[in-house]
Amino acid sequence: GAGVSQSPRYKVAKRGQDVALRCDPISGHVSLFWYQQALGQGPEFLTYFQNEAQLDKSGLPSDRFFAERPEGSVSTLKIQRTQQEDSAVYLCASSLVSTAVINNEQFFGPGTRLTVL
Amino acid sequence: GDSVTQMEGPVTLSEEACLTINCTYTATGYPSLFWYVQYPGEGLQLLLKATKADDKGSNKGFEATYRKETTSFHLEKGSVQVSDSAVYFCALTLYLNRDDKIIFGKGTRLHILP
Repeated sequence: GAGVSQSPRYKVAKRGQDVALRCDPISGHVSLFWYQQALGQGPEFLTYFQNEAQLDKSGLPSDRFFAERPEGSVSTLKIQRTQQEDSAVYLCASSLVSTAVINNEQFFGPGTRLTVL
Repeated sequence: GDSVTQMEGPVTLSEEACLTINCTYTATGYPSLFWYVQYPGEGLQLLLKATKADDKGSNKGFEATYRKETTSFHLEKGSVQVSDSAVYFCALTLYLNRDDKIIFGKGTRLHILP
């Protein structure tokens, strides 16, 4: 079956532009995560959804970052007024069940590489 | 706070050499531990995991043992191949704290020479 897909795979934005990054999780997966991976670093948590509910947004770096998952499947990460420090790969991951399940593996998408000029 | 520290790369080895990538962690609860791998041009993949002390995770010839006394989860392989060239991330989650987010180390780039 299909894995997690993300689009676009590459995005170049001018500083100050708004961008929207899409994530299609594995069908039926309850949990969805967004991570930010700066060049040469490990991924860092941004936000977490259980179905359509955003249960944790503690990792969002500023109020310019906004994520939604209105119908509990596809999710969009929006960045307003992009800055150069937003340049990174944005990873989406989904898992079958909700929190506190030890074998709840997260499956990662290929990522969207955002470059802000 | 919770964190993972792993040895910096790049690590360059010849084919059939022994590999160890060190990883230590700090956690407020009882973590589950993971190694993820990122092959060139591909997404992150789970390589192996261990969910309690003294557990050994293994996959594709790689092994790592959860050592609570030393808070470590070192990745080992007895004989590496060119196809093992990738970036390796040590990571943890705190499922028992009802927290699924993954905390990653900075990654170690591995180059295997033929």
